[in-house]
Amino acid sequence: ETGVTQTPRHLVMGMTNKKSLKCEQHLGHNAMYWYKQSAKKPLELMFVYSLEERVENNSVPSRFSPECPNSSHLFLHLHTLQPEDSALYLCASSQENWSQPQHFGDGTRLSIL
Amino acid sequence: RKEVEQDPGPFNVPEGATVAFNCTYSNSASQSFFWYRQDCRKEPKLLMSVYSSGNEDGRFTAQLNRASQYISLLIRDSKLSDSATYLCVVKGGISTDSWGKLQFGAGTQVVVTP
Repeated sequence: ETGVTQTPRHLVMGMTNKKSLKCEQHLGHNAMYWYKQSAKKPLELMFVYSLEERVENNSVPSRFSPECPNSSHLFLHLHTLQPEDSALYLCASSQENWSQPQHFGDGTRLSIL
Repeated sequence: RKEVEQDPGPFNVPEGATVAFNCTYSNSASQSFFWYRQDCRKEPKLLMSVYSSGNEDGRFTAQLNRASQYISLLIRDSKLSDSATYLCVVKGGISTDSWGKLQFGAGTQVVVTP
């Protein structure tokens, strides 16, 4: 039980499809994050939401669209993705102050055909 | 220069031996430091926070050297289950541009052999 759950665990989609990744945290945290992890590369921060407000967007292409309806839920809407977008997408949450670590979900392994 | 740098390894360690590795960071305003562990095709999991005075958690010892801007992790009496990639994570301090952002290293792979 990680406290952060992501669905689906695996997703295969074509470049013209639209899909959404879902993340839910049960830890009472007030900040949530999307990361991308490609093979042999460090985690790349994509988006940060603090108190449901987006505070960070790391030059992510517009084909990725985040949504944070409340402090417990985070979505990543995907459309017209490219093969290079195939990666592990990780959601994390934390209690936002400078000393607190982040807790990660299991991730969604995304493959773009 | 990368924000957080780690030796990718792999460090091949006989079971029962000790292994240690470092991580360097470039932002001197960094305030919080963590070691995460990531198993193959799994999510990163917090192993331990790193405190200024150094800290120990069972067989794991973490140290912080602010002057030289590195942190270290030492694993004593290695177990087969310690085989994983160890991620160094640095968090920016309050009142800095990097506040709240976690910077991840690419990881150090440790392989414990029987």
